[in-house]
Amino acid sequence: QVQLVQSGAEVKKSGASVKVSCKASGYIFTSYYMNWVRQAPGQGLELMGRINPNGGSTSYAQKFQGRVTMTRDTSTSTMYMELSSLRSEDTAVYYCARGGRHFDHWGQGTLVTVSS
Amino acid sequence: QSVLTQTPSVSRAPGQRVTISCTGNSSNIGAGHDVHWYQQLPGTAPKLLIYGNNNRPSGVPDRFSGSKSGTSASLAITGLQAEDEADYHCQSYDSSLSDSVFGGGTKLTVL
Repeated sequence: QVQLVQSGAEVKKSGASVKVSCKASGYIFTSYYMNWVRQAPGQGLELMGRINPNGGSTSYAQKFQGRVTMTRDTSTSTMYMELSSLRSEDTAVYYCARGGRHFDHWGQGTLVTVSS
Repeated sequence: QSVLTQTPSVSRAPGQRVTISCTGNSSNIGAGHDVHWYQQLPGTAPKLLIYGNNNRPSGVPDRFSGSKSGTSASLAITGLQAEDEADYHCQSYDSSLSDSVFGGGTKLTVL
């Protein structure tokens, strides 16, 4: 069965960077886009961008351009999302989610807390 | 502020029917782009509930259905059960943003 397992919770200082991983299993890794979606406390879902694991091309939401980097390691079927210059507003749960126009499988989420 | 607009909260009694709306514009839902719905139970990740406006993934009960008309879409849930209490999010594609967009989510309370 398809599984997306994310790394554990992180606490970071303002200005630091965080790197979240998402290990995929149960399907052909290179066959599906992977998206990163975040959810601030009590808020809705916000798409950050996506990566095509077949080749590594990326597309980032304008809001995150210059601060986010999405990569993948095909040898371990793992996706990574790194967000830099963290500020308090980046405190959120970060999800990886598989798919193109709709997202059929989601990771369990990674809470990133940014403190000053 | 989300591109797609959803009513923040709705409540119904068990056994009743509820519809949750998602309103967009001519760049997203009105442009003919598909609408997808996700269910997010408390403290868990979202789960795909409806895709392509009215299609249910395997395992989703037929109490859940989706529809789309003009610049809006709706999720209907019949025979409400306590376990349906969750946040529901709509998603579509926006041509002007060249990206997927979400609604702000609707919190369903089953009284």
